[in-house]
Amino acid sequence: DGGITQSPKYLFRKEGQNVTLSCEQNLNHDAMYWYRQDPGQGLRLIYYSQIVNDFQKGDIAEGYSVSREKKESFPLTVTSAQKNPTAFYLCASSIGRDITNEKLFFGSGTQLSVL
Amino acid sequence: ILNVEQSPQSLHVQEGDSTNFTCSFPSSNFYALHWYRWETAKSPEALFVMTLNGDEKKKGRISATLNTKEGYSYLYIKGSQPEDSATYLCALVKTSYDKVIFGPGTSLSVIP
Repeated sequence: DGGITQSPKYLFRKEGQNVTLSCEQNLNHDAMYWYRQDPGQGLRLIYYSQIVNDFQKGDIAEGYSVSREKKESFPLTVTSAQKNPTAFYLCASSIGRDITNEKLFFGSGTQLSVL
Repeated sequence: ILNVEQSPQSLHVQEGDSTNFTCSFPSSNFYALHWYRWETAKSPEALFVMTLNGDEKKKGRISATLNTKEGYSYLYIKGSQPEDSATYLCALVKTSYDKVIFGPGTSLSVIP
């Protein structure tokens, strides 16, 4: 089955630690996105990538980093500079770079908590 | 940061009732509007992608309309069922090669 796989489902971070959230898709989609959800708030865009080896900051990129070395993979690193990392993280993809008529496909999410 | 608003924040209806909710956005920043349904413990799933002023889309008992000149979209659910319980998200696209900005969502609970 084609889809987006996020792992792990739950992740715990210690103070000062960097952690990486995995997002893999086998849909052959060009564009991939990372969103963060906090309780009572909508999805906020962290980073997005429309093509391999290229990515752009979203609205809340500070304290996060990404890479897009392969079309199918878009890992998100939550660095120690992110002071409030506890949140639910969703990865998404779309078929092409032109999002006008394209819908997003989502993974099942990773819940990150700070110990 | 572009502001996409949704109202109401939450809604409780009886099974069989019809309901609707609103997504508002700046009319000067419009390229496309998406609607998604997000059920608990599942991934968000796309309902509609709308691009033209006056667009109406329908999927079963759910339909949506779009007014880009005044900056709003309505989502209607006819004869709500318990399986319609979910958070409904709208999302705005400003330009064709741009990011998708989500509203805060409307949480719908359908009481059997």
